[in-house]
Amino acid sequence: ETGVTQSPTHLIKTRGQQVTLRCSSQSGHNTVSWYQQALGQGPQFIFQYYREEENGRGNFPPRFSGLQFPNYSSELNVNALELDDSALYLCASSLGQPGLYEQYFGPGTRLTVT
Amino acid sequence: RKEVEQDPGPFNVPEGATVAFNCTYSNSASQSFFWYRQDCRKEPKLLMSVYSSGNEDGRFTAQLNRASQYISLLIRDSKLSDSATYLCVVSDAGGTSYGKLTFGQGTILTVHP
Repeated sequence: ETGVTQSPTHLIKTRGQQVTLRCSSQSGHNTVSWYQQALGQGPQFIFQYYREEENGRGNFPPRFSGLQFPNYSSELNVNALELDDSALYLCASSLGQPGLYEQYFGPGTRLTVT
Repeated sequence: RKEVEQDPGPFNVPEGATVAFNCTYSNSASQSFFWYRQDCRKEPKLLMSVYSSGNEDGRFTAQLNRASQYISLLIRDSKLSDSATYLCVVSDAGGTSYGKLTFGQGTILTVHP
């Protein structure tokens, strides 16, 4: 176990709805990154938070937004859900810059949009 | 062109076989390189980092060629438990970069008895 937890485990939403996914990082980790993994693909970087500030973003539209809290836990919010948003959403925490510090992934939230 | 490209696979090999995975990356600013392993419906887990001098961890050997922007993973004496998806990962960490990880699409390995 990595110590990174995510909730909920599974979620089914309807197109157009909004969803909030939650991530609790490993103790002491101040950096959280979110990834989207579509079926049969590798994870795609959504954004990264460091000490409550977004400090990097991948090629995702503004309807994907996030927050990081003082305890370094994090949320991913997706508005106006589309069918293509169906995927496994992974969060990963690290002591610092991913690549310089190992990232530890949570088990993911599997989102289905119908 | 994708930033990180891997062999399409899938690979189906018998126990005891040696199998090699290849990966190329397009961003010459990439600084760190990794292989991750992902079991079915589970999260990715770091298998090993990859260094320019090459590195070995038991049955696993990773190589990096910066000039060719090429990464490889060799698995010797395959075990049933090696069955998984192997993800090639690069990072531009360092300097002012925030160091995102860029994943390849993954290669599925199945080891059969």
